[in-house]
Amino acid sequence: DAGVTQSPTHLIKTRGQQVTLRCSPKSGHDTVSWYQQALGQGPQFIFQYYEEEERQRGNFPDRFSGHQFPNYSSELNVNALWLGDSALYLCASSFGGLNEQFFGPGTRLTVL
Amino acid sequence: RKEVEQDPGPFNVPEGATVAFNCTYSNSASQSFFWYRQDCRKEPKLLMSVYSSGNEDGRFTAQLNRASQYISLLIRDSKLSDSATYLCVGADGGGADGLTFGKGTHLIIQP
Repeated sequence: DAGVTQSPTHLIKTRGQQVTLRCSPKSGHDTVSWYQQALGQGPQFIFQYYEEEERQRGNFPDRFSGHQFPNYSSELNVNALWLGDSALYLCASSFGGLNEQFFGPGTRLTVL
Repeated sequence: RKEVEQDPGPFNVPEGATVAFNCTYSNSASQSFFWYRQDCRKEPKLLMSVYSSGNEDGRFTAQLNRASQYISLLIRDSKLSDSATYLCVGADGGGADGLTFGKGTHLIIQP
């Protein structure tokens, strides 16, 4: 039973570029949430996708957007990257109305 | 604003000792609480859910005090492998919610 998977594992971009991160949820899960974790901080909620729609959003600018596909996998897109976007980006999956979320290994993004 | 506050530590504890962490939450509407464990440069892993009056799982006990808006985690007979960062997490009811994480408490178990 595969857990949550994310790709790529590491990524280096320069300021102003755009990036797409990918996530496949745990088998049987239909909800995907994205988090940003800066060094020394707890994860910060970006948004959550359910039934291919953004269901809730945290305090992140519109440069952060996402998508969920019919197979429940998801993408996180960040436009106009700046240095402060350097962080570990975590995807978590859950089932329906349950709050127990299971995390993938993350994508470590470095913006130079 | 939803906030979860934790003492960042580090807590340096000898092997075999009992250690306790507290965290406080500001959102009185929060319904569900969790403790996650995060090892260095790894993803958070769900340690325990804390739904009502508390929860116990082996050496780990979590308590919820709604009146004072705090959650605690007790680790008995600590092992070297318990060294990690422990994240306190709150969520509103309904499931359509992102989790609100504290910054984590760093625990170091010393031989």
